[in-house]
Amino acid sequence: DAGVIQSPRHEVTEMGQEVTLRCKPISGHDYLFWYRQTMMRGLELLIYFNNNVPIDDSGMPEDRFSAKMPNASFSTLKIQPSEPRDSAVYFCASRGGQGGVPRETQYFGPGTRLLVL
Amino acid sequence: DAKTTQPPSMDCAEGRAANLPCNHSTISGNEYVYWYRQIHSQGPQYIIHGLKNNETNEMASLIITEDRKSSTLILPHATLRDTAVYYCIVRAHTGGFKTIFGAGTRLFVKA
Repeated sequence: DAGVIQSPRHEVTEMGQEVTLRCKPISGHDYLFWYRQTMMRGLELLIYFNNNVPIDDSGMPEDRFSAKMPNASFSTLKIQPSEPRDSAVYFCASRGGQGGVPRETQYFGPGTRLLVL
Repeated sequence: DAKTTQPPSMDCAEGRAANLPCNHSTISGNEYVYWYRQIHSQGPQYIIHGLKNNETNEMASLIITEDRKSSTLILPHATLRDTAVYYCIVRAHTGGFKTIFGAGTRLFVKA
């Protein structure tokens, strides 16, 4: 398996523009998580899905952020409009065990580095 | 989920064992201890987990005290590639599935 795939790997945009981050989880995993990481706040959970249904979005900072999971193999995190304080690394993770690793283990993608000017 | 306390940073000589401590004095009986690490510019990576027994895998060993209030992650022969931030997390396998990452320990392995 290729692991969790995220795109784009880097994104530079101007304030006010819409940003869409994409994630393909590991096949067969039933949970998908979106995290944001900054130097100041560390790694924060934004939202997670179970079987494509959003379960907890209490970490989503404000209404400018939205996430969808239209099917088991794809999820998006959208920021509209983007602001400079949204600059961060955004990670997607999926949950599921394989090869003796417990099912509760999360596998992280490489992240998307977002810079909003 | 219970909170954890880790030292902000540690040094280790290459080839020596790295022992990373974690305090989790409020851990509940059904909560597991998980360790992840994050190498610079990468996403966090699962290392090992345990409930109350010591555990070992190809990456590391996990020693949990008898009262379960603290644990130690041991990298038996640290290499330069083990330089990373190590996160200790406690969480149950039931209920919600939030995983709260604290600040972690920044391990520097030096040649």
